[in-house]
Amino acid sequence: GESVGLHLPTLSVQEGDNSIINCAYSNSASDYFIWYKQESGKGPQFIIDIRSNMDKRQGQRVTVLLNKTVKHLSLQIAATQPGDSAVYFCAEIRGAQKLVFGQGTRLTINP
Amino acid sequence: DTGVSQNPRHKITKRGQNVTFRCDPISEHNRLYWYRQTLGQGPEFLTYFQNEAQLEKSRLLSDRFSAERPKGSFSTLEIQRTEQGDSAMYLCASSLAAGGSYEQYFGPGTRLTVT
Repeated sequence: GESVGLHLPTLSVQEGDNSIINCAYSNSASDYFIWYKQESGKGPQFIIDIRSNMDKRQGQRVTVLLNKTVKHLSLQIAATQPGDSAVYFCAEIRGAQKLVFGQGTRLTINP
Repeated sequence: DTGVSQNPRHKITKRGQNVTFRCDPISEHNRLYWYRQTLGQGPEFLTYFQNEAQLEKSRLLSDRFSAERPKGSFSTLEIQRTEQGDSAMYLCASSLAAGGSYEQYFGPGTRLTVT
């Protein structure tokens, strides 16, 4: 079936560097994506969202890029901090209701 | 704390027993969702409510699972005759269906271990 998936299960970066987490999706009709951060023992936390009529959206230290041609989106985290260590999920809204999540990328920050 | 709350946070039960989890959404949110998350995976949709009406159920929600939201506020998820494969984190989320925003706010989850 159609899915939302991630390229890499783990990513290690040096503190202060920028992080890029990638996600691929298969449903060309998808029109709304959300990035979530999940720390150990907690529920997913909203980071940023983007609609298909946009190709870039910026938040505080985060940027999401959407490439509809190749059905790919990425989350960029600037100046990565220890508190950014978590699992990051991209998710797609289907039917305006449910979220369909990918498997997640574990981001580890090295001091 | 005005976020989504879930109780209990942890539940250990023996196979065959029934368990019930509770979710209290953000007070003004009219939509409430249940998801299940197993280790190393993303959350999987189970069901959702708009006010008190259960509008969609996943095929993952077998006959042993039932969810209710009787007054359109808190919700319960019951699992009857638990099996070891039911061991997972059960997450609740809520949202306000208005203004074109689909952001769902998640609770901390209830971790179920079936022995």
